[in-house]
Formats: sequence, C-alpha cells, structure tokens
Amino acid sequence: QVHLVESGGGLVKPGGSLTLSCAASGISFSANYMGWIRQPPGKGLEWVSYISDSGTATFYGDSVGGRFTISRDNAKKSLYLEMKSLRVEDTAVYYCARDVGVGGAFHMWGQGTMVTVSS
Amino acid sequence: DIVMTQSPDSLAVSLGERATINCKSSQSILYLSNSKNYLAWYQQKPGQSPKLLMYWASTRESGVPDRFSGSGSVTDFTLTISSLQAEDVAVYYCQQYYSTPHTFGQGTKLEI
Repeated sequence: QVHLVESGGGLVKPGGSLTLSCAASGISFSANYMGWIRQPPGKGLEWVSYISDSGTATFYGDSVGGRFTISRDNAKKSLYLEMKSLRVEDTAVYYCARDVGVGGAFHMWGQGTMVTVSS
Repeated sequence: DIVMTQSPDSLAVSLGERATINCKSSQSILYLSNSKNYLAWYQQKPGQSPKLLMYWASTRESGVPDRFSGSGSVTDFTLTISSLQAEDVAVYYCQQYYSTPHTFGQGTKLEI
C-alpha cells in the first residue's frame, strides 16, 4: 500500500524546537522531490519547504527560511523538517507530500501532523 | 514572490450545474521554452488532505473524473466542473510551481 505518514507534532513553547518526520512506504522514495505544506486551523494551504530527489537542493518559504531545515534519508525512505525558534504563527497541520514529477505539484499527501506553538 | 489570487472566495452551485473557479497569478507562470503553464489545482474535502486534480494547468491527474477541466495561460486560469456532483463540495486551491516559493491561492469554497 502507498503511504506517507507524518509524525513528531505536538505542543511546544514559543522559541522552542521540534522535528517532524515523514515515512514513505510502497513508493520509489528516492526518485521524487518532496515537500512540506502547512495549514493553520481553519485557514488555507501554505507552501513551507521543498527538497530535491538527492537532497542536495532545498527551498524554503519566506516565513520559515533560516528557522526550518528540510532533509531526507533515501535509504530510510524518510523526510524530515527540523523547526527552530518556533512562533505562535507556526501553529498548523503540517503535511508531507510527494511531487508528481513536474517540479512542484504534489500528487501524494500524508494525513498531516499538528504542531501547536503556545505558552 | 508570485501572488496567487482566486475568485470567488466562495461559490454556491446547484447539482448538475457548471461551477467555475478563477485563479490569477501576479506574473506569468508560462515557461516559454516548453510552453507549459506551471499551475496545479487541488481539492480539499473537510477533514481530508488535499488531492491533486490538475497540473500543467490542464492535465488531469490519474483517476480524476473528466467533469473536471482546467484552462488558461500566462496569468489567468480557470477550473471548471461541468456538472456538479454532491461529492464535489470542497475547498479548491490553485498553486504555481514556476518559481519558489511555490505559492497557493487563498482557496475557493464550493457549496451546493
């Protein structure tokens, strides 16, 4: 079965850190770019970060650049998002997603993991 | 950054009728060397993850019903549902992947 499963979400205080993981199964993980997209409660989608198939190229949204780091381990079929200096406005459901192969459209999404930043 | 603006914010359409959602980019997302528009459409039903409907502005993702179609070029794009079904109630998002950050529109809520 084809799956993307996120984990690592939770409650963290402002200024704190958290690392999200995304485990892939049933797919050729190393062949596709991957990304993180987030959705604050009751709001729309925000593109967060994107990584090449090899992991050598990474891209970030304006609001997270310098604080978040995306990485991947193709041998473990896993994607990561290390989040530092967290802010209240980082509160959201975080989805990992797989690029369909066209350079940025995502055809496979996980169920999401909730990150809440609050004192 | 490229700003994506959808219209309307919400839309009510009767079953069996046509639904049209517009998306405008703040600059061209047509890559001249391959004549492709770097635009995707997603559907998100309540409590679910987004689902890819279209990429390259008009290429239907595998398994998407043919009542969904995408059109437009350069900066103006449209998602059309030819005959609305009850299961199409959702929020629809456009996204440009021409340049990073690959921004999303604010979403259009489609209701019956």
